[in-house]
Amino acid sequence: SQQGEEDPQALSIQEGENATMNCSYKTSINNLQWYRQNSGRGLVHLILIRSNEREKHSGRLRVTLDTSKKSSSLLITASRAADTASYFCATNNPTDSWGKLQFGAGTQVVVTP
Amino acid sequence: DADVTQTPRNRITKTGKRIMLECSQTKGHDRMYWYRQDPGLGLRLIYYSFDVKDINKGEISDGYSVSRQAQAKFSLSLESAIPNQTALYFCATSDPPDRRAFFGQGTRLTVV
Repeated sequence: SQQGEEDPQALSIQEGENATMNCSYKTSINNLQWYRQNSGRGLVHLILIRSNEREKHSGRLRVTLDTSKKSSSLLITASRAADTASYFCATNNPTDSWGKLQFGAGTQVVVTP
Repeated sequence: DADVTQTPRNRITKTGKRIMLECSQTKGHDRMYWYRQDPGLGLRLIYYSFDVKDINKGEISDGYSVSRQAQAKFSLSLESAIPNQTALYFCATSDPPDRRAFFGQGTRLTVV
């Protein structure tokens, strides 16, 4: 079963605009991670935020985490055509000794020039 | 060179055939995983392994088997392929302690 659920399922924006997507999860977490997948390719790790962190930045990426609401958001600022991809959140559950990640279904982002 | 390499990248096979997907990694991670991705769905875990002696079923292991030949090699087999196993398959490793995942480029499998 999926732990995370992304919202929206799809997002279409123009270059230069910001893109925001959300992830909700069900159980407690060690950390929450965001990944990008270009069409048909492997997922690439973007950013990780730990359960005791509220906000994190990496380049044009900004991630927030609200553990009380069991939700996270990923903001991509000043989007580019190259940001066109699917974005997935994944959670790492502290009660899972194997450290398996649970992935959501993803948000498909299209950035048009 | 890719840190996690999957072969083949694409494969078309017939119903009932046995097929093996291979994965090798140069990251030195102990943990390796096989996932399946279907359109509109996230990644679902098929099997995972923490060393050559430790193999565990994921949420959708029926119809699949795995072999961990060495720390660096983890293969996935479909004993008798069926059309609903048509999907994109990914191998991944993860690093301690945060368990960030590193994915191969995927194998697109079509069962006809």
